Amino acid sequence: AQSVTQLDSHVSVSEGTPVLLRCNYSSSYSPSLFWYVQHPNKGLQLLLKYTSAATLVKGINGFEAEFKKSETSFHLTKPSAHMSDAAEYFCVVSDRVDTGRRALTFGSGTRLQVQP
Amino acid sequence: DGGITQSPKYLFRKEGQNVTLSCEQNLNHDAMYWYRQDPGQGLRLIYYSQIVNDFQKGDIAEGYSVSREKKESFPLTVTSAQKNPTAFYLCASSITGTSGNEQFFGPGTRLTVL
Repeated sequence: AQSVTQLDSHVSVSEGTPVLLRCNYSSSYSPSLFWYVQHPNKGLQLLLKYTSAATLVKGINGFEAEFKKSETSFHLTKPSAHMSDAAEYFCVVSDRVDTGRRALTFGSGTRLQVQP
Repeated sequence: DGGITQSPKYLFRKEGQNVTLSCEQNLNHDAMYWYRQDPGQGLRLIYYSQIVNDFQKGDIAEGYSVSREKKESFPLTVTSAQKNPTAFYLCASSITGTSGNEQFFGPGTRLTVL
């Protein structure tokens, strides 16, 4: 079985300061990991994904995440927050494809607030 | 433009009524999924389908039904047996066999039971 824990339900930062959204996972296999962003009453948009290539993954809008197997973490960072970054962020782990069940397990989400 | 469409955006239902949510994709993806989202929670999987005419229950399938008669379409019916159907419903699709299993999401349908 696999699971995802997002360590903060809410994060508030000032515009122009760094963003850190924390995620820990557990998985029996070599996982694929994702970060998705959701703006209010919208669908989810993929920010970035890790699939066993480079451990430092760069995504859209200046976000990046580092896969640390020893710490079972996949934290999301951005050097400088923008007002438009205010949204809900989900860390997600994917079943290994050869289990036959190809679905995602979602964390409970972190709401990012950006103060002017 | 390729993508996933869901309709309607908002849906109101009286208790005891069945209601069907539409999901269509033109991405030529084999796999499609339905998720439910409640306030302050992540997404929970209701049903998924990896190929036409085949689908499997997810984690919270009770009170829901689906069909997959066409590759492009994966409608979800919320039946009267679903005890607490008010939620935000999201449809997604992915290319079966991709090891990264990236899913693409529709804009969602917000269902409210009156």
